[in-house]
Amino acid sequence: EDQVTQSPEALRLQEGESSSLNCSYTVSGLRGLFWYRQDPGKGPEFLFTLYSAGEEKEKERLKATLTKKESFLHITAPKPEDSATYLCAVLPQVGGSYIPTFGRGTSLIVHP
Amino acid sequence: GAGVSQSPSNKVTEKGKDVELRCDPISGHTALYWYRQSLGQGLEFLIYFQGNSAPDKSGLPSDRFSAERTGGSVSTLTIQRTQQEDSAVYLCASSTPSLAGGTYEQYFGPGTRLTVT
Repeated sequence: EDQVTQSPEALRLQEGESSSLNCSYTVSGLRGLFWYRQDPGKGPEFLFTLYSAGEEKEKERLKATLTKKESFLHITAPKPEDSATYLCAVLPQVGGSYIPTFGRGTSLIVHP
Repeated sequence: GAGVSQSPSNKVTEKGKDVELRCDPISGHTALYWYRQSLGQGLEFLIYFQGNSAPDKSGLPSDRFSAERTGGSVSTLTIQRTQQEDSAVYLCASSTPSLAGGTYEQYFGPGTRLTVT
């Protein structure tokens, strides 16, 4: 069974204090790993897709990296507007079904 | 372009009543998903439609829940005889996993907040 574990559950940072969120996964072959951002009262918003170990993607203050067992979302010099819940999901390689498994998310609060 | 839309945005219903939630996916997206998210909880998969294939209903929590997708586009999630434990945000997402050059990321709607009193 595919599993996704995100840590920490909650993270409080001061503005400018860089940190990383972790997504550990077990999957029967990885088709893709996804990061989403979810603001309160809204649906998740797509950030990145990573397909293979060693791959990295960046967007503004965010950088996502991938190994064979985990992914990190690095946040550099965060701002209060980066406050949100960050979700990780994996899509298995096997089969013709495209149903991802989601983690429970990391709630990030950035204080000014 | 237009994103995924859902209606209503909020729904308050009495226990025992039936409700219908609507999802309009992004035009051309072949895959459509329904999820449920309870307060402080993760995303719970409910049902998945892919093109003309039979839907994957493996996440539906009981036979009170059903969904249909008409014409490969709009989808309706129906909850019969609602219970208080059905109170949650219901999210719809769409994607293009099976198209040539398609990608797998999902685009979510804003959700419908269902409250059963």
